[in-house]
Amino acid sequence: QITLKESGPTLVKSTQTLTLTCTFSGFSLSTNGMGVGWIRQPPGKALEWLALIHWDDDKRYSPSLKSRLAITKDTSRNQVVLQMTNMDPVDTATYYCAHRDDEGIFDVWGRGTLVTVSS
Amino acid sequence: DIVMTQSPDSLAVSLGERATINCKSSQTILYTSNNKNYLAWYQQKPGQPPKLLIYWASIREFGVPDRFSGSGSGTDFTLTISSLQAEDVAVYYCQQYYTIPRTFGQGTKVEIK
Repeated sequence: QITLKESGPTLVKSTQTLTLTCTFSGFSLSTNGMGVGWIRQPPGKALEWLALIHWDDDKRYSPSLKSRLAITKDTSRNQVVLQMTNMDPVDTATYYCAHRDDEGIFDVWGRGTLVTVSS
Repeated sequence: DIVMTQSPDSLAVSLGERATINCKSSQTILYTSNNKNYLAWYQQKPGQPPKLLIYWASIREFGVPDRFSGSGSGTDFTLTISSLQAEDVAVYYCQQYYTIPRTFGQGTKVEIK
């Protein structure tokens, strides 16, 4: 059974850097085809894909946020970390991590963590 | 970027009636070499993460009731709930996984009439 859980600060200030950790179980990020993605959702709004890291350390980012994002993995600890620099109140959202299966589908999601950015 | 546009934004359907949600992509998400449409549907209930319902445009995820079905190809897709149940009240999203960046529709809210 695959599970994922997001952790990190619930409140950050404008201009600070947000660091979120996704801790997962039930799969290994060293297995061919596996990946973990990050998706966010502002309150009452739609889902927005942010970043994706693959088993071979290939990394992909949303073009509109690429300059502010960094995604890394620690295979031995079953963790993926997302950093987002220069936070702004518009970045207030629930941040989800999700398992990417070998077909590219986000099939299992974490419960999400709400991050509020104060000005 | 591939833009995903859903319609309607919301709909109210009587219990037991059919609900239909449309999703249109700004370019094809059909990969001709394998004849697969890179389209998924998710259900999101209040306070919960999205749940995968349908992938490859028409394949139900394990455990999803068969009243949910997906259809379409190329750029036009449909999610149908054949007989709406109270527990189906949610927001539904389509998403393409054909290319980067992954993109979602704006969501369709389904309510009981």
